[in-house]
Amino acid sequence: NAGVTQTPKFQVLKTGQSMTLQCAQDMNHEYMSWYRQDPGMGLRLIHYSVGAGITDQGEVPNGYNVSRSTTEDFPLRLLSAAPSQTSVYFCASSRGQHNSPLHFGNGTRLTVT
Amino acid sequence: DQQVKQNSPSLSVQEGRISILNCDYTNSMFDYFLWYKKYPAEGPTFLISISSIKDKNEDGRFTVFLNKSAKHLSLHIVPSQPGDSAVYFCAASEELKGGATNKLIFGTGTLLAVQP
Repeated sequence: NAGVTQTPKFQVLKTGQSMTLQCAQDMNHEYMSWYRQDPGMGLRLIHYSVGAGITDQGEVPNGYNVSRSTTEDFPLRLLSAAPSQTSVYFCASSRGQHNSPLHFGNGTRLTVT
Repeated sequence: DQQVKQNSPSLSVQEGRISILNCDYTNSMFDYFLWYKKYPAEGPTFLISISSIKDKNEDGRFTVFLNKSAKHLSLHIVPSQPGDSAVYFCAASEELKGGATNKLIFGTGTLLAVQP
C-alpha cells in the first residue's frame, strides 16, 4: 500500500528559483491538501482540493500554486522561491467526508537560500 | 489568530503513568476534533477523533475528552509507553455546506517524552 507519496524528500533552492513538489495518492480519495510545518506554528493549510478540477486556498496560500487535473495527483508549485518558504511540506488526502481522517505523506523538506 | 491552541510545547512522563495532552479552541463552529501523532521524518498519523455530540471517545490506551462549554479537549494515554514518544497535534474541523470537505485546522503540537 503506497498511500500518499511525496517527492522529492529533500530540496535546496536558491531565491527566485521555481520548483514543483509532487504528491500522488492511490486510495481514490477525492480530497487532497497541502500543509507546511514550521517550528512553533504547527501545520498550516496552504491549498486544498475537493476533487479533480477544483482547488481552493487555505490559511497561507501566497507564493504557491496548485492544480488538480486527476484524482491521484496534486502538485504544489513555487513560482519564485523565497527564504520564508523554507519549511517541511506535507501532502494529505481523505475520502472528503467531514469526519474522514487525513492520510499524510512523509513530507518534503525544502530549504531556500 | 490561532483557532486551535496547544499551550504546552512539551511534556515528560514516566513509563506506565498517565499522559494528558491538552488543546483549546476558539471557533464555536468546530464540530469534529482529531488527534494526530507524528514521529521525526514521518508524516502525521491519525490517532483518535471525537464528534462534538460526544464528550468522550476511547480506543485502547487512548481516550479523548471534549468539554464544549470550555472549548477544551484533552488526550489521555494510559499507561504511557516509550513508543508513545512523539509530537501530538490536535486538529479541528467545521462541517461546511454539503459536508464535502474536511479542512482541518491544526494546533502547534506537544512533544511527549515517555521516560523508561
